[in-house]
Amino acid sequence: QVQLVQSGPEVKHPGSSVKVSCRASGGNFQTSSINWVRQAPGQGLEWLGRFVFSIDMSDYAQKFQDRVTITADKSTKTVYMEVTSLRSDDTAVYFCGRGNYMDVWGNGTTVIVSS
Amino acid sequence: EIVMTQSPGTLSVSPGERVTLSCRASQSISNNLAWYQQKPGQAPRLLIFGASTRATGIPARFTASGSGTEFTLTISSLQSDDFAVYYCHQYHNWPLYTFGQGTKLDI
Repeated sequence: QVQLVQSGPEVKHPGSSVKVSCRASGGNFQTSSINWVRQAPGQGLEWLGRFVFSIDMSDYAQKFQDRVTITADKSTKTVYMEVTSLRSDDTAVYFCGRGNYMDVWGNGTTVIVSS
Repeated sequence: EIVMTQSPGTLSVSPGERVTLSCRASQSISNNLAWYQQKPGQAPRLLIFGASTRATGIPARFTASGSGTEFTLTISSLQSDDFAVYYCHQYHNWPLYTFGQGTKLDI
């Protein structure tokens, strides 16, 4: 059974960074991609970027290109997303999802940015 | 950036009713559209991909259609479990995927 397991909740100060992980298990991800999507409290879904396993490359939404870095450790099937220069409006639940249309989702990681 | 616009924002319905949700793209996305259902405190769940193909395990009461810029998701007979927020998502214009703002089904 394909699963994506994310790291636990984080509380960060403004200006700091956070790194969230998404570990895949039970399936073949080598021909797929892992996306990162966030959801601020009471708001909709926002795509941040993705890692494409077959070409070892990351793509980003233009809005996040300067502050978000997505990397992967293929040996452990883990994808990481780091957000730098955190602001209060980065407070959100961050999800990872597999593939162009995301058929498998992680459990979500709550990131709270507060002074 | 392709803007996805969903309507209505909120729909008040009753169990057993048939409902149709709409999603419009600001430019053609062919059939590169997915629909998700999200309940409070949960991750989104894929319902439809390729504009009209049901994902594994999705009941037949969920049907979807459309191509280009206009898309619909129809739930033929609402069950209590269907009250949730529904999002459309275009994956045509990478690397800039975008979501609609969501339609909430309220009892």
